[in-house]
Formats: sequence, C-alpha cells, structure tokens
Amino acid sequence: AQTVTQSQPEMSVQEAETVTLSCTYDTSESDYYLFWYKQPPSRQMILVIRQEAYKQQNATENRFSVNFQKAAKSFSLKISDSQLGDAAMYFCAYRRGMNRDDKIIFGKGTRLHILP
Amino acid sequence: KAGVTQTPRYLIKTRGQQVTLSCSPISGHRSVSWYQQTPGQGLQFLFEYFSETQRNKGNFPGRFSGRQFSNSRSEMNVSTLELGDSALYLCASAPQRGRPGETQYFGPGTRLLVL
Repeated sequence: AQTVTQSQPEMSVQEAETVTLSCTYDTSESDYYLFWYKQPPSRQMILVIRQEAYKQQNATENRFSVNFQKAAKSFSLKISDSQLGDAAMYFCAYRRGMNRDDKIIFGKGTRLHILP
Repeated sequence: KAGVTQTPRYLIKTRGQQVTLSCSPISGHRSVSWYQQTPGQGLQFLFEYFSETQRNKGNFPGRFSGRQFSNSRSEMNVSTLELGDSALYLCASAPQRGRPGETQYFGPGTRLLVL
C-alpha cells in the first residue's frame, strides 16, 4: 500500500529565511501525482504546488518550489523568503495516476512556525 | 464563485448520539470527498461521492455514512458516536472525478467534539 511520511512534525524558520519541508513516499507505481497542501490556522486548506511523476522538471510556484527525487521517492518543499503568512500546517499528499478510483493519501503534516 | 461551505462549523455531542454534517461544493463541482483530521492520524479519507453515488470509501466503520444530492451537496452521518470520533471533518470538492492531478478545494471543516 502507498504511504506518505513527513518526518518533521514541527519546524521553525526566521522570517525572510529559506526552509525545506521533507516528504517521502512509498509506491510501486510509475504514474502518480504529488501535492503539497497548506492549512493555515483556522482557515481552509489550499493547494500549494503539484508535481506529476512523469515530469522531470521540479515544479515552482513563486516562492514555493519542490525537489522531486523519483528514485529516492522524496518530495521536499522549499519555501524561500519566508513570510508570516506562511505559518501553517503543510501536508504532503500522493495520488496514483492511472486509477480514477484511487483516493489521495496524505502525510500527517508538518507545522511550520515563522519567527519574526 | 463561492468556496466550499460546511455547516455547522462546531458541534458538541455526547457518546451514543448521532450527527449529520453538511457540505456544499463550489458551484459546478460534482465530486465531493470527506476527510477526518485528527492530531494523531492526520487526514484520513472517508468517502467520495460523484453523481449521487459513493465512488470510493476509506477504512472506517459502517457508523460513518454519507450521501449526495442531485445538486451535488453532500451530507455525512456518524451514528452511535464514540469519543474517538472527535475530529475536524473536512469536505473537498472537485469539478469532476477521474482526474488524479486535479486540485481538491477544501471547506473550512466542522469541528466535532464528543463528550
């Protein structure tokens, strides 16, 4: 069965610094999607970034980028120039690409604190 | 467009009672998924509905059930509540199903406390 592991329950970073959140996953599939979702305190969860396994180029969305290492089954999120609004719980997620019936599997999350 | 809405936002129940939570997806979205979020287990998938039919189900007991109406609104029901059912219940909608890379749009959640 597929699993997603986030080994850092909590992290802190100084405002304006760069932080990297780790995520590893286990799958025997070759076609899948990986996601990072952000859940701010008392606010709705939103998609931060998505990566398709077939694409070698790492996805980037403004200050957010990923380091996708397919062979190592690693999918880390880098946040550059951290801002106070980045404080949130971050969830890494996996979804198999071929089967439309497959559900999204989430990691347990990393709570990110931004220090002013 | 209005986002995903969930009602009620907060709920307190006692053991043995039942509860119904409601989710209204973004207009035009036809897929609705439900998740249970707890500090210990993170987000766990409950079920997905599309075109009024349950398409997928997670590993939860039969006390957890749901349905979807013709306007895509969805409800989930938990019967015979247990203390361990205390959680944040999240609903997420998507335009269609069968597109694994599609964004899930989440609601604010219903926080259920079972005493």
